[in-house]
Amino acid sequence: NAGVTQTPKFRVLKTGQSMTLLCAQDMNHEYMYWYRQDPGMGLRLIHYSVGEGTTAKGEVPDGYNVSRLKKQNFLLGLESAAPSQTSVYFCASSLSETQYFGPGTRLLVL
Amino acid sequence: AQSVTQLDSHVSVSEGTPVLLRCNYSSSYSPSLFWYVQHPNKGLQLLLKYTSAATLVKGINGFEAEFKKSETSFHLTKPSAHMSDAAEYFCVVSDRGSTLGRLYFGRGTQLTVWP
Repeated sequence: NAGVTQTPKFRVLKTGQSMTLLCAQDMNHEYMYWYRQDPGMGLRLIHYSVGEGTTAKGEVPDGYNVSRLKKQNFLLGLESAAPSQTSVYFCASSLSETQYFGPGTRLLVL
Repeated sequence: AQSVTQLDSHVSVSEGTPVLLRCNYSSSYSPSLFWYVQHPNKGLQLLLKYTSAATLVKGINGFEAEFKKSETSFHLTKPSAHMSDAAEYFCVVSDRGSTLGRLYFGRGTQLTVWP
């Protein structure tokens, strides 16, 4: 039982490039989330999903898109990366209130 | 609306002395409250949670927190700090008014433990 895993662990992008971050969970959780963590800001919700095939915007959705084609996977896409998207990205999943977090992806946009 | 205020951005203690990390919350509903810990370059780990049962909640690694409705507080304590407690701690409130149970994070408190 791996819990929540994230791929990749670290990535460097140039401004304007695109990429997809993958989150996978093996706990059969309905809810999945993407957060970004910036110094002194705590975690802020980007997008979330309440089930397969459904997604919704969180607190800071601009510049990101998501998809949940399979229950166990939640993808976060950056179509045209900007330096302001340099951050650590965390995925989480939950059955109810308690969320379980992945180890994070460090993204640097130059 | 839900929000969390962590009153200290940094706390420093000596090993073996008590730890107090302060958190105040605002919630339109009867809240669920959590403390998460993040060690350097790691993900977030749940320390403990309050969900309207006992007001004193015991968590992992000797931490506990007390829910005080009258003070809208949920402070985290530990009687004796250990070097391995050095980490960033997040107080979190859950939006129980929605089916999602969306979480609202405080900005974090960095705990330093001196030998």
